[in-house]
Amino acid sequence: GAGVSQSPSNKVTEKGKDVELRCDPISGHTALYWYRQSLGQGLEFLIYFQGNSAPDKSGLPSDRFSAERTGGSVSTLTIQRTQQEDSAVYLCASSFLTAQETQYFGPGTRLLVL
Amino acid sequence: GNSVTQMEGPVTLSEEAFLTINCTYTATGYPSLFWYVQYPGEGLQLLLKATKADDKGSNKGFEATYRKETTSFHLEKGSVQVSDSAVYFCALRSSNTGKLIFGQGTTLQVKP
Repeated sequence: GAGVSQSPSNKVTEKGKDVELRCDPISGHTALYWYRQSLGQGLEFLIYFQGNSAPDKSGLPSDRFSAERTGGSVSTLTIQRTQQEDSAVYLCASSFLTAQETQYFGPGTRLLVL
Repeated sequence: GNSVTQMEGPVTLSEEAFLTINCTYTATGYPSLFWYVQYPGEGLQLLLKATKADDKGSNKGFEATYRKETTSFHLEKGSVQVSDSAVYFCALRSSNTGKLIFGQGTTLQVKP
């Protein structure tokens, strides 16, 4: 079956612009995660969704970052007023039902802020 | 807080050599432990996992044993292939939210 998909695959933006990154989880997966992979910080957790609610937002680095999930499926990560330090690969993962299940990762969105 | 430390890379080996990538962790409670692999140009894939002490995870010839007494989860393979060239990440999951905490990654290059 189809895996986790993310769009766009690459995004170049100017400092100060807003960007939206999209994640389509595996069909039927209720848990969804966002991570960030950068040279300086490695792989970092950002936020966890169970259904449409986000019980763990502890990894969002600032209030410029927000995420939502609608219909228990697609999720959007929004970064407002982008900064150069936001440049990274943003990864989405999903798992079936509970947080204790294996997480399956998408290919990522590579964001470059000029 | 919880953390994972991996040996620094890159690790360069000849084909058929023995591989060990060290991973140690700090965590409260009883975390689950994972190795993920990222092949060039591809996304992260789960390689193996162990959910309790003394469990051994294995897949594709790779093995790792959950050692609570040494807080370690070292990755081993008896005979590496060129196709094993990738970045390997050790990770733990301890919270009810399923948050994965990753090590910094170890790049493995296998030469023919």
